Amino acid sequence: ETGVTQTPRHLVMGMTNKKSLKCEQHLGHNAMYWYKQSAKKPLELMFVYSLEERVENNSVPSRFSPECPNSSHLFLHLHTLQPEDSALYLCASSQDGGTGELFFGEGSRLTVL
Amino acid sequence: SQQGEEDPQALSIQEGENATMNCSYKTSINNLQWYRQNSGRGLVHLILIRSNEREKHSGRLRVTLDTSKKSSSLLITAPRAADTASYFCATGRDDKIIFGKGTRLHILP
Repeated sequence: ETGVTQTPRHLVMGMTNKKSLKCEQHLGHNAMYWYKQSAKKPLELMFVYSLEERVENNSVPSRFSPECPNSSHLFLHLHTLQPEDSALYLCASSQDGGTGELFFGEGSRLTVL
Repeated sequence: SQQGEEDPQALSIQEGENATMNCSYKTSINNLQWYRQNSGRGLVHLILIRSNEREKHSGRLRVTLDTSKKSSSLLITAPRAADTASYFCATGRDDKIIFGKGTRLHILP
C-alpha cells in the first residue's frame, strides 16, 4: 500500500453536483491536510485535522466541507462549486502536525464545468 | 511574510551541469523544507533543514540555510533528465507550513 492514497484521481462535475474526494493514509500519522493547487499560485492550505479534530480552516468557502471520521481517513465534500474551484486537490499527512515532514497523495484533479 | 519565494521561476539546465534554486522569506522560521513535484503528481519531501543548521546533504542534494539573509538554496549536482520537475520550498513556523510558488526545472538531455 502506498503511504497516502487519493481517489478519484480525476473528477469532472457540474456546478450543481455533489461529489466527494477521499484520502486514506497508511502511515499511522495523527495529522491530515487538504491543500489546493491552482496554476501559478502557491499551494493553499485548506484544512488541517489533528487526531480527528479540525485545527485549521483557512477561510475556505462553505461549499467545501471536510470530514475526518478517523485518523486514517479524510474526505472533502464538494457542493455547488464554481469553475474557479477547478484545481489539483492534494491530501497530506504528518506524524504529529506542526512543521514536520508532509507526505502527499497523488492528488485529485477537479474540473468544474 | 512567512511564505518563501523561489528564484528563478523557471530554469533550464544541460544534463550534468549543477542546478541551483533559491528561496527567500521574510519572517523568522523554525525550519525550511524542500519538496519536488512531477507534473500533475503529489509533492515528495526532499530535505528539511532546521533554523540552527547551515547546510545539509542528501544524495545529490545540498541545501544551505542563511537565517541572517533569510534565504536557502537547493543544489542538485549532476542532474539527469529524470530530475525535471517543480521544486518548492516550504517554511515552518508556529505549527504552520507555507509553500512558495516553486521553480520549474527542466533538464535538457
